[in-house]
Amino acid sequence: DQQVKQNSPSLSVQEGRISILNCDYTNSMFDYFLWYKKYPAEGPTFLISISSIKDKNEDGRFTVFLNKSAKHLSLHIVPSQPGDSAVYFCAANRYGQNFVFGPGTRLSVLP
Amino acid sequence: KAGVTQTPRYLIKTRGQQVTLSCSPISGHRSVSWYQQTPGQGLQFLFEYFSETQRNKGNFPGRFSGRQFSNSRSEMNVSTLELGDSALYLCASSLTGQAGNTIYFGEGSWLTVV
Repeated sequence: DQQVKQNSPSLSVQEGRISILNCDYTNSMFDYFLWYKKYPAEGPTFLISISSIKDKNEDGRFTVFLNKSAKHLSLHIVPSQPGDSAVYFCAANRYGQNFVFGPGTRLSVLP
Repeated sequence: KAGVTQTPRYLIKTRGQQVTLSCSPISGHRSVSWYQQTPGQGLQFLFEYFSETQRNKGNFPGRFSGRQFSNSRSEMNVSTLELGDSALYLCASSLTGQAGNTIYFGEGSWLTVV
């Protein structure tokens, strides 16, 4: 029973274009969401977060959008750079509970 | 400010042995959680400790255990190792572990069971 889903295992984007990574969740009680980037042989690095009281949060090239009614969030990276090539995980939790992670999407940014 | 530190980074164990992994959280962080990542899998939650008490536990067998010390440092132990325990074990810390608190990961400990 996967509570957090990332249905695209991989995504390829041309350098300079927009990368859109999607995440769906099933638990309507989740109220805090995070995105992480992971390079091989390294721990995940925190990118950006959003709480359920917002529908958008922006940090530099990264923007996260939350659609609570659809139980869907997305991460936009604009413009995409080769160094963005990594595995991206979304995570969600509710107060008092542990974070639940999606299976990840491997992003490849082509020069 | 130092990040989350995990030791050892790499280790190889034989089936049936036990292993202990260590994690030092970011200074001031009182919540430590552990995750397992296997090839092709996301991060599977093992357990979370706060103020030396296990607060949440994932769906792993009792061979997986952990503890937290008064200085917030944490250890996890896996007994009677199986080949399927080969994985990257990640430790993460946060201020309180509650919603609204971001969790920060260490580099991980790569365990290979042969």
